Amino acid sequence: GAVVSQHPSWVICKSGTSVKIECRSLDFQATTMFWYRQFPKQSLMLMATSNEGSKATYEQGVEKDKFLINHASLTLSTLTVTSAHPEDSSFYICSAPRVYTDTQYFGPGTRLTVL
Amino acid sequence: GESVGLHLPTLSVQEGDNSIINCAYSNSASDYFIWYKQESGKGPQFIIDIRSNMDKRQGQRVTVLLNKTVKHLSLQIAATQPGDSAVYFCAENSSASKIIFGSGTRLSIRP
Repeated sequence: GAVVSQHPSWVICKSGTSVKIECRSLDFQATTMFWYRQFPKQSLMLMATSNEGSKATYEQGVEKDKFLINHASLTLSTLTVTSAHPEDSSFYICSAPRVYTDTQYFGPGTRLTVL
Repeated sequence: GESVGLHLPTLSVQEGDNSIINCAYSNSASDYFIWYKQESGKGPQFIIDIRSNMDKRQGQRVTVLLNKTVKHLSLQIAATQPGDSAVYFCAENSSASKIIFGSGTRLSIRP
């Protein structure tokens, strides 16, 4: 079946550094991917829509200059958390809908801890 | 606007009993709903979905009911097992394939 992977599965970084998280669709193409953030004991909050070949669109309240998104190919989107701070510590999850279907697949998530 | 919410944050059921998790939504134009299961430290896992032209849909041990009149949907899990312990989210697949999640219900199973 279709699988979405994320790398790394967890990362610990120092405050002020940048962290890149990858989201890959392994056996299907995705012109769109979505990035979510989930704080402990909370729901998934949509951050942005990653669009292959064009700029990402961000949800209200999400800083586009802090959360850089690049969707360079039909199977890869990256989320870079720039100048990370402890409040950015969270579980980041991506999803990808298979083209021409409503079926959407979620990645396993990336746990980011900023010290 | 679009919003999906849940009535109860936690639910504890006896192993073998049926579980019912409820969800309310506010957008009457919503036409596609999905239930997800999330285990600790993992991404959401698709359970079952339903479109607004249906009132009920069944899967393996799970049933989703949709009441459009009161904008409510529920997830029923038959013969709940320890492996069903997780957080369950209802979600709305909105325009442009965006999935908007509700607040989640933690299901715990008593032996």
